[in-house]
Amino acid sequence: GQNIDQPTEMTATEGAIVQINCTYQTSGFNGLFWYQQHAGEAPTFLSYNVLDGLEEKGRFSSFLSRSKGYSYLLLKELQMKDSASYLCAAMDSNYQLIWGAGTKLIIKP
Amino acid sequence: NAGVTQTPKFRVLKTGQSMTLLCAQDMNHEYMYWYRQDPGMGLRLIHYSVGEGTTAKGEVPDGYNVSRLNKREFSLRLESAAPSQTSVYFCASSPGTSTGELFFGEGSRLTVL
Repeated sequence: GQNIDQPTEMTATEGAIVQINCTYQTSGFNGLFWYQQHAGEAPTFLSYNVLDGLEEKGRFSSFLSRSKGYSYLLLKELQMKDSASYLCAAMDSNYQLIWGAGTKLIIKP
Repeated sequence: NAGVTQTPKFRVLKTGQSMTLLCAQDMNHEYMYWYRQDPGMGLRLIHYSVGEGTTAKGEVPDGYNVSRLNKREFSLRLESAAPSQTSVYFCASSPGTSTGELFFGEGSRLTVL
């Protein structure tokens, strides 16, 4: 079956770095997405990886290893506004997105 | 810049009642989707449309009907609501499958008593 696993909740300190891991199993693979969702709001797109390696976008970076079925989202210089849920989603061979349940990130001062 | 607009934002229904959620996007996107989001679970695809006049079933289509009214609008109808359909519903659109990036509406919180 198809499956996405990510931690349910993580806590980090303002100004620090946090890494949110995601493992996936899909029928075929057409890319890995990360979305941010603040409480009570809609998900918003953060990153897309289809090739192995690290993609950097400001304070956020996303890494993919296709051979390991593994990705992580790295957030640097954490700010209070980064408190949100982070959703990992893999696109299968039919171009359908398979979503993880999300990782709730709590930032403490 | 309206993006994706959903109505209504909140609704309370009694079991057996019907209702329609409306979604409109102003980005000229071909693809539109309806998802539901429940605590502890990932977003689950209900139905989707790859263009005007087309619809297809997603992962959890039972109990829902959809209609792609035109390129801008995609509606979701619950003919006979059940408590299991209590959820937050998100409409999303995208220009195509290859990009993958979805643009979401603000969500509609539906409670079925």
